[in-house]
Amino acid sequence: EPEVTQTPSHQVTQMGQEVILRCVPISNHLYFYWYRQILGQKVEFLVSFYNNEISEKSEIFDDQFSVERPDGSNFTLKIRSTKLEDSAMYFCASSGGQTGDDYGYTFGSGTRLTVV
Amino acid sequence: AQTVTQSQPEMSVQEAETVTLSCTYDTSESDYYLFWYKQPPSRQMILVIRQEAYKQQNATENRFSVNFQKAAKSFSLKISDSQLGDAAMYFCAYRSGETSGSRLTFGEGTQLTVNP
Repeated sequence: EPEVTQTPSHQVTQMGQEVILRCVPISNHLYFYWYRQILGQKVEFLVSFYNNEISEKSEIFDDQFSVERPDGSNFTLKIRSTKLEDSAMYFCASSGGQTGDDYGYTFGSGTRLTVV
Repeated sequence: AQTVTQSQPEMSVQEAETVTLSCTYDTSESDYYLFWYKQPPSRQMILVIRQEAYKQQNATENRFSVNFQKAAKSFSLKISDSQLGDAAMYFCAYRSGETSGSRLTFGEGTQLTVNP
């Protein structure tokens, strides 16, 4: 079964440093997403991406965040200057096959980001 | 904006027994999807079951079934013949069906313990 792949599985970074989280969505999916889960809390939407541009973003997704699909297969989330409160699990997901079935999300296994 | 509420932070069940997890949601939309996701200690998000709002029949996947009450905006998950592997955090989620690529809105989660 097709998978969404995320790398790295765990990243530790110094406060103020830039991090890039990487994802390879399912190849025939059209919509890509990033979600965040702070430990012990619910999963929160960050951003959705379609046709090489952001289609929707939440209030969490401020200027320190950016997304990119640099090469047609990878989908990245960049955090420009990390803060302690950015420590969380970050999930990538994709949906929307070309058959028009858009209600099925597939999540990656997540990247645990620890900011020290 | 849509909201999803899970009023049971924790639930427990004896192995082989049945347990029901509650979820309510608020929306003004008529076209939407509802989901239950399982999150084991690995923190991967695993789709358990989904329900299209336009379908009156409750969804069933093996030991998992839902009780979808559209008028009451209630979407509970029943787990029959509970197994030790069912122990996890369970999240209820809502997604609009009125636009493609829409976000998932999650509830706060219910931590399920299965006692041997």
